[in-house]
Amino acid sequence: AQKVTQAQTEISVVEKEDVTLDCVYETRDTTYYLFWYKQPPSGELVFLIRRNSFDEQNEISGRYSWNFQKSTSSFNFTITASQVVDSAVYFCALSFNYGQNFVFGPGTRLSVLP
Amino acid sequence: EAGVAQSPRYKIIEKRQSVAFWCNPISGHATLYWYQQILGQGPKLLIQFQNNGVVDDSQLPKDRFSAERLKGVDSTLKIQPAKLEDSAVYLCASSSLRVSYNEQFFGPGTRLTVL
Repeated sequence: AQKVTQAQTEISVVEKEDVTLDCVYETRDTTYYLFWYKQPPSGELVFLIRRNSFDEQNEISGRYSWNFQKSTSSFNFTITASQVVDSAVYFCALSFNYGQNFVFGPGTRLSVLP
Repeated sequence: EAGVAQSPRYKIIEKRQSVAFWCNPISGHATLYWYQQILGQGPKLLIQFQNNGVVDDSQLPKDRFSAERLKGVDSTLKIQPAKLEDSAVYLCASSSLRVSYNEQFFGPGTRLTVL
């Protein structure tokens, strides 16, 4: 089965703390893509990152970093020095079948308190 | 570059009424998706079009939901008749295999409330 699990339903942190959002995926495909999207209170889904299954290099973009580990089927997302504007629901997603199919995880609601 | 456009942004109807949503994808994007996002859940794919053909509609409740994408550009999603459990945000997204390997760009969504 093709599936994405985000075990953390809600996380609350205080501003400037680091926070890691977990994502575990299942797929039979050897070629697939993983994504993170942010959904702020306004509701629009904002693309954050895409990673293909052959590239296990970790990536850093400003305060955001992603750790992709095929051995554990995980694609975790860390926000360093969190800010109130990071408060949102974050979705991990999997694209498989050569990009023909797409499945989202249930999301993690992050609240960053001032 | 203009993003994905959706209308209306909000709709309130009574159960058993009909409703239609419209989506205009990013120009040149061959793939169009409709998702249903119930409050507190992740988006669930309802239907996926490649140009004007259906790629996946396995999760579309076909007894009441229908969608079309005439001419491979704009798309409409219809619910007839609506049920209380159809209350959700309906998201449209588009993508292009030629650009950023199928990264999906999402519209602002239509929030449907069924009373």
